Amino acid sequence: DVKVTQSSRYLVKRTGEKVFLECVQDMDHENMFWYRQDPGLGLRLIYFSYDVKMKEKGDIPEGYSVSREKKERFSLILESASTNQTSMYLCASSIGTAIRSAFFGQGTRLTVV
Amino acid sequence: AQKITQTQPGMFVQEKEAVTLDCTYDTSDPSYGLFWYKQPSSGEMIFLIYQGSYDQQNATEGRYSLNFQKARKSANLVISASQLGDSAMYFCAMREVMAGNMLTFGGGTRLMVKP
Repeated sequence: DVKVTQSSRYLVKRTGEKVFLECVQDMDHENMFWYRQDPGLGLRLIYFSYDVKMKEKGDIPEGYSVSREKKERFSLILESASTNQTSMYLCASSIGTAIRSAFFGQGTRLTVV
Repeated sequence: AQKITQTQPGMFVQEKEAVTLDCTYDTSDPSYGLFWYKQPSSGEMIFLIYQGSYDQQNATEGRYSLNFQKARKSANLVISASQLGDSAMYFCAMREVMAGNMLTFGGGTRLMVKP
């Protein structure tokens, strides 16, 4: 089974802190994605990466950055956390061309106080 | 403009009855895929069903079927014989080849199955 693992299930951070959300997948997928999920807004794409060291902005990249130094790991970074970044964050991975579905991690619920 | 629209924020259905969850999409890419995911209260996203833009037949997976109407740009999910365990959020999503295979999601529909 494909496994996408996010490092934390719940996080509470203070405003202004630097926050790292880690995601690891074990199926050698080229594509990895970070979404945030908010009630009524569905999932919105923050960043995605189609290869090591490659990244593309999604719909809402402001306030976030990403890092993909190894194929299996995709990190989301909040340089200076703010309360409006309180949300559920979901990581996903998918195979490059056989695009039948993306596999998701279990989500990280981040609260910024 | 919204690429994926789910107009039903919440739906009730009686156990054992069928239910249709609406999804309309907007794209100019001739090659795209449509997905439905289920998200129970535990938070994980569960892939349910996929329809490719060139598929001639509607996709089916067990109790799930996708009513694909390409000209209308709709991809409604039909769940037959609803079960209590079907209560969850349901998300419609689209992947466009020209957009680099990004998945774009709708706002979701909360389905509640009544005993």
